[in-house]
This record gives sequence, C-alpha cells and structure tokens, in this order.
Amino acid sequence: QSALTQPPSASGSPGQSVTISCTGTSSDVGGYKYVSWYQQHPGKAPKLMIYEVDKRPSGVPDRFSGSKSGSTASLTVSGLQTEDEADYYCGSYGGGNNFVFGTGTKVTVL
Amino acid sequence: QVTLRESGPALVKPTQTLTLTCTFSGFSLNTTGMCVSWIRQPPGKALEWLAGIDWDGDKYYDTSLKTRLTVSKDTSKNQVVLTMTDMDPVDTATYFCARIIYGAGEAFDFWGQGTLVTVSS
Repeated sequence: QSALTQPPSASGSPGQSVTISCTGTSSDVGGYKYVSWYQQHPGKAPKLMIYEVDKRPSGVPDRFSGSKSGSTASLTVSGLQTEDEADYYCGSYGGGNNFVFGTGTKVTVL
Repeated sequence: QVTLRESGPALVKPTQTLTLTCTFSGFSLNTTGMCVSWIRQPPGKALEWLAGIDWDGDKYYDTSLKTRLTVSKDTSKNQVVLTMTDMDPVDTATYFCARIIYGAGEAFDFWGQGTLVTVSS
C-alpha cells in the first residue's frame, strides 16, 4: 500500500490552531473508521493522540481533535503550545490486518 | 503498566539476516484481540508498518516486504521476534515494536523506544 499523503509542514503561533490533513484512498482512510494520529518528538517513540478518527486516549488534552471526510482525515491542534512542536503521523487500517502510515507533518510553533 | 522493548544488533552487514526481539510486559499475547506489530523509520523519514502477529498466531506482512519478513511469538517469554533477510543499506532504520488491540480502535497504543539498526559493510 502507498503511504498516506500529509503536508510536509504546518505552523502556528502559540494559542492559534493548526490543522493537518491526511489523504488516502477508499482502501484505507475512506474505507474504515480506523484512522489514528501519532505525535513524535525528536529521538522519541511515537505517541498515540487520536484513534478511531476522533477519539482521544486517556491523558491526551482535548486541544487535539480528529475528523474525517471521505478519504481525507484531519487532525486539529487548538490553543497551540510550545510542547506541541513535533512530527505528526496519521495511520490507517488498510484491510487484511495491514496498516499504512502517512508521510508525516512537522508542526512548528512560531 | 504496558511496556515494550526492542533488542537486537545495532550493525548488520549487507545480505545478512536481521533478528530483532520485542520483549513486552503488562499484557498477554494470549488475550483475544492482542497483536504486536513491527514498524520502522529510516533516519529523517516516515513510519513504515512491516508486520504483525496476533493472539491467535496469525501473521500479517507488508506486501512489498513479505518475502523477506518472518514474525513469530513466544508467549511464555512474552516475546515477539522479527527476522528480515537479505539486509540492504536502505533498510537502515529505527525499528519499533508496538501493541495494537483489535476491536479497540485498531491503533498502536503502546510503543517500544526503538532500536537503530545500521546496515553497512
């Protein structure tokens, strides 16, 4: 499967919002409700931020929200904080117990 | 609490076979729905899902790499092993293992810290 498409970068000032898109196909993002988002700081393992399109694991701030329309999912970070500066990856179930990740987006807090 | 830890060689030569072990705690791979996957990340690049093995012993592989990958589990030791044959410099990456629970969102909720594998002669 081909990687999901994300913009290489996104930025915003503290307190602002930033939205990252994740475009796939009907075989992954468009075909299932299992879209997830991961935050990765340099040299660290990814951390699950959103699962099943719009659900937040315990401990993830409600500033992080997810949505999906057709084959494009989105992650919005509201009220940007300096610690939100990181790489973000979307992931999707691709059928047959296979998974695919996005190309990654570097979020910069200006 | 749930933890995972990858172990294996930091350096392998081209054409060699890589063997990585994921040792986990805080859950059982005998429990319905549990699965452990392997994911890699070349330096400065994106995450790439490689393979997974579930509670039932079923195995899943990335289509483009399946001829080179084998995943197995030792439930008594709480370990999952990944082997990758015919290593090439392009396989240089940090290799992560992660847990996924089928029926609970199909997302990787816990990750190991990763182990960097360099392929070089």
